[in-house]
Amino acid sequence: EPEVTQTPSHQVTQMGQEVILRCVPISNHLYFYWYRQILGQKVEFLVSFYNNEISEKSEIFDDQFSVERPDGSNFTLKIRSTKLEDSAMYFCASEEGLNSPLHFGNGTRLTVT
Amino acid sequence: KQEVTQIPAALSVPEGENLVLNCSFTDSAIYNLQWFRQDPGKGLTSLLLIQSSQREQTSGRLNASLDKSSGRSTLYIAASQPGDSATYLCAVSLDSNYQLIWGAGTKLIIKP
Repeated sequence: EPEVTQTPSHQVTQMGQEVILRCVPISNHLYFYWYRQILGQKVEFLVSFYNNEISEKSEIFDDQFSVERPDGSNFTLKIRSTKLEDSAMYFCASEEGLNSPLHFGNGTRLTVT
Repeated sequence: KQEVTQIPAALSVPEGENLVLNCSFTDSAIYNLQWFRQDPGKGLTSLLLIQSSQREQTSGRLNASLDKSSGRSTLYIAASQPGDSATYLCAVSLDSNYQLIWGAGTKLIIKP
């Protein structure tokens, strides 16, 4: 069964550094998402992406965050200058169409020191 | 503002029992509701999706119900097995947008 893949599985970075989290969504899916889960807290929506542009973003997704779909298969989340509070599990998800089940990757655990 | 609450936060039952997990939401204007399973160190797996016009969905030993007017959903697991041990999350998608709003989850342990 096709699946969403995320790399790396774990990333450790120093405060102020840039990180890029990578995702390969399922190939025929049209909608793409990034969510995050801080340890012990609820899953939080960051951004949704459709037709090569952001369709919606949360308050968390400030100017330090950006997303790209550079080549039609990869979907990346960039954090320009990481902060300690960016430490979390970041999940990429995709769906075939609206009102379809959401398929998640296994996540990237980001640790900012 | 939509809030999603799940009760109980944790549940431990012997293998073979039927059980019910609860999810409530404050704003009934939802587009759909999904139940997910989260295993430690893994991603989230969609179990059931109930559209706002539906009352329930079934998949194998799982049955999810939705009562939009009262802001409630239940996930029924029949004949529980140790492999069902995981955290179960419910999430709602709003009418006005398609982001998911999540509950905190119920951590389920099935004892052999």
